Amino acid sequence: EIVLTQSPGTLSLSPGERATLSCRASQSVSSGYLAWYQQKPGQAPRLLIYGESNRATGIPDRFSGSGSGTDFTLTISSLEPEDFAVYYCQQYGSSLTFGGGTKVEIK
Amino acid sequence: EVQLVESGGGLVQPGGSLRLSCAVSGVTFSNYAMSWVRQAPGKGLEWVAGISDSAGSTYHADSVKGRFTISRDNSKNMLYLQMNSLRAEDTAIYYCAKKTTVVVTAPMDIWGQGTVVTVSS
Repeated sequence: EIVLTQSPGTLSLSPGERATLSCRASQSVSSGYLAWYQQKPGQAPRLLIYGESNRATGIPDRFSGSGSGTDFTLTISSLEPEDFAVYYCQQYGSSLTFGGGTKVEIK
Repeated sequence: EVQLVESGGGLVQPGGSLRLSCAVSGVTFSNYAMSWVRQAPGKGLEWVAGISDSAGSTYHADSVKGRFTISRDNSKNMLYLQMNSLRAEDTAIYYCAKKTTVVVTAPMDIWGQGTVVTVSS
């Protein structure tokens, strides 16, 4: 099973700042099958990015994904108030596993 | 608008059974693989099971294999999760999720609001 480790556990930033979230896999994720989800309290997760860098429908372009192999990054170029949430990475190249999540909180 | 509505959650004793349902509307259900994902209280997401568009292939996480069974009825636009031999560690919100394609391991682009399962005596 591919284990995904997300860092940091919590990111404290202010609106307008840039957020950089990391997801590291225990082995290479085939064909870049890596997705990112956002979850707000009391809500279901929402797909943001899939296939490493493709934005899902309706996702603003301040969200971007990058990386390959075992190291992946989600970048939010300029945080909006609605972006403070928990973010999960997920690999779907070998079965399906999620990372433990990164909480982006208001500083 | 695509909608997924789960039902069937509740309080059950250890060793008991529950059947979760997910009603899907606003999309051609038979064109997509589906999954169940759960989230224990205060914890992260855990994939539970997946099923192909035609129900020809099913996959279950090791943590539920032999106890849970995913199924679907394309004539009714319904997804199911039969949960037997429930344990305290199965306590979670259970989400129904639509895949982006027919591929069982594809990402999940539409999620239901979740149904709560509590396993306790």
